[in-house]
Amino acid sequence: EIVLTQSPGTLSLSPGERATLSCRAGQSVSSTYLAWYQQKPGQAPRLIIYGASSRATGIPDRFSGSGSGTDFTLTINRLEPEDFAVYYCQQYGSSRWTFGQGTKVEIK
Amino acid sequence: QVQLVESGGGVVQPGRSPRLSCVASGFSFSSYGMHWVRQAPGKGLEWVAVIWYDGSHEYYADSVKGRFTISRDNSKNTLSLQMNSLRAEDTAVYYCARDIHSGSLRYFDLWGRGTLVTVSS
Repeated sequence: EIVLTQSPGTLSLSPGERATLSCRAGQSVSSTYLAWYQQKPGQAPRLIIYGASSRATGIPDRFSGSGSGTDFTLTINRLEPEDFAVYYCQQYGSSRWTFGQGTKVEIK
Repeated sequence: QVQLVESGGGVVQPGRSPRLSCVASGFSFSSYGMHWVRQAPGKGLEWVAVIWYDGSHEYYADSVKGRFTISRDNSKNTLSLQMNSLRAEDTAVYYCARDIHSGSLRYFDLWGRGTLVTVSS
C-alpha cells in the first residue's frame, strides 16, 4: 500500500494569500492516478484536481496542481473565503486507493 | 439530477450486520465502477471497497476484507455494502463515490452525502 503524507497539517492564511499544500508518496505514483479533493465541514468531498494537474469541472483557475513521482503540490492562489477547507490527496495503485491524512486551510 | 444518495446508517451494536445502500440517479449507473469510502468522526478519508461497473471485480481495504461485501444491482441503480462483524472502529460516515477510469486517468468525480454508522452497545 502506498502511503501519502500531506504537509503541513494545518495552514493558517488570510484571504488573498497563496496556499501551497504538499503530498508526498512513499513510492512513485503515476501522475495520472493522483487527485486532490476539498472537503468542507458536514459536506462530502469534492474533486478539485485529477491527473495531478487537471482542474475538475467548475473549479476556478486559482487552483492548480503539479508534481510527479513522489512529490505533488496543490496551489491555491489568492485564497477566497470559500476555499478554507480540508484538502486530501489520493492515489490509485494495484486496485487499491489511498488518501493522505489531509491539510486544513484555516483563516488566520 | 446527477446524484448518489446513501441510506442504511444508524446506531448498530457490535457484531451486528447492517447493509448500506446507495441509489444513483441522473446517469448510466451500469457504466461506472463504484466505491465506498468512510470517514471516522474528526478523521480523514479511508477507501473501503470498489466494484467494477459490471460487478465482475471487487477489491477491499485490508481493514474490512473478509467482513464487508460490496455489491451492486444495475437494474435498480443501487450499490450496497454488507457490513458483518462490526467493531467500534467501523464507526464512520460512509460515502459512495463514482469511479472515473478514462484512459490512464483514475479518480472519483461524484460523491454522495454519506450515511453515519455508529457502532455502540
